[in-house]
Order: sequence, then structure tokens, then C-alpha cells
Amino acid sequence: DAKTTQPPSMDCAEGRAANLPCNHSTISGNEYVYWYRQIHSQGPQYIIHGLKNNETNEMASLIITEDRKSSTLILPHATLRDTAVYYCIVYQGGSEKLVFGKGTKLTVNP
Amino acid sequence: DGGITQSPKYLFRKEGQNVTLSCEQNLNHDAMYWYRQDPGQGLRLIYYSQIVNDFQKGDIAEGYSVSREKKESFPLTVTSAQKNPTAFYLCASSMRGAGIQYFGAGTRLSVL
Repeated sequence: DAKTTQPPSMDCAEGRAANLPCNHSTISGNEYVYWYRQIHSQGPQYIIHGLKNNETNEMASLIITEDRKSSTLILPHATLRDTAVYYCIVYQGGSEKLVFGKGTKLTVNP
Repeated sequence: DGGITQSPKYLFRKEGQNVTLSCEQNLNHDAMYWYRQDPGQGLRLIYYSQIVNDFQKGDIAEGYSVSREKKESFPLTVTSAQKNPTAFYLCASSMRGAGIQYFGAGTRLSVL
């Protein structure tokens, strides 16, 4: 079962930052937070991951709270192409599989 | 280009028929995975393989079978025992033990 809790849906205006929250209150010290997204009728795409430090790449930023019980994925300037389902996943390095929940459906509006 | 190739994109199954979904990767990944996705739901793991000639059942393996004879290929057979096969099927690969998986474009299976 998924170890994360995400809101089922969110809306964001085009050009604004999209902040997607995720709760993972039972995360262990050696578990990472991974984010994927799935555009309609496509395969999921890896976005970013982190352990305890904030991370940034060309797609997004990941902010993890100090107690590691929650995190936020930030898309700094959302575009219509960012409309997708976003999955937050807790993963232990070396594990054999990822567990996908239902994710958050983000709709970017013009 | 490196990546995961799934075929066909659309597949129709008749009652009592077995069908095989193809998944090929040229990323030199050891691990490969099959997921099923129903409308409005997340992905559920069917089977996975960490190495050639070895595979494990995922959460919903009943009615499915796989083989892993080559590193590049991980075909999934949906057998007649799978009574509700209509779904979107996704194949993925990764370095063994890594959290970053690369997904194919999927196969949409329907029942005639």
C-alpha cells in the first residue's frame, strides 16, 4: 500500500507556481521521496527525488520538511503541458519496486 | 534513441484467447516491470524481473504470465484466466535497485 497521502486534485493558473503537497508521516530514515507525473494516456515520467535536502532540477524543485514527514513539489512556472497526474512515492534504495498511489490530478488553466 | 518500446498500442482480445504484449528496452537495464492501470486509478504491479531468467509476482499476478529470456525483452501474456483484462498496461525498466524507472507508452487492451 502507498505510504503517502496527496490531495486528489488541484488547479493552477498558467504561468504561476504549482505547489503539490505530499504527506509521508511514516517515512523511515533511509527512504527517499520520489515524484513522477503521468500525462493523460502516456507512461509516467520521473521528475525528481530527494532524501532530506531540498532538490532542484530543470523540471521542478522538491522541498522536504525538516522532520521529513511531508514534502512539496514545485513547478515554478506552470504551463498547460504540465496538466497531469502527479505521484509522490516513498522508496527505499535497493528495494525491488515502486508503489504508486492515486496521485494528484493537476489542471493548469489558461 | 534509447528507451522502452511497447507494442501494440491497441489490442483487442476475444473471449478465451491469450494475448501477448511486447516490451523491449535498449537502456541496458537489468530490471523490468509490468503495471496495470484502470481508469482513474494508480498503477498496480503485475510482475517484475531483476535479472534474466528470473521474475517475481507483483500485487495482481493472477491471470498473467511473463518470461525473461533476454535482458532487452519482457513480454506479458494476458491469459484467458484473467476475467477482466480491459486496462492500460505499462512496461518499465530501471537499473537494479534504483528508484528511477523509465516507462513505455503503454498498450491499451480491450475485450471484444
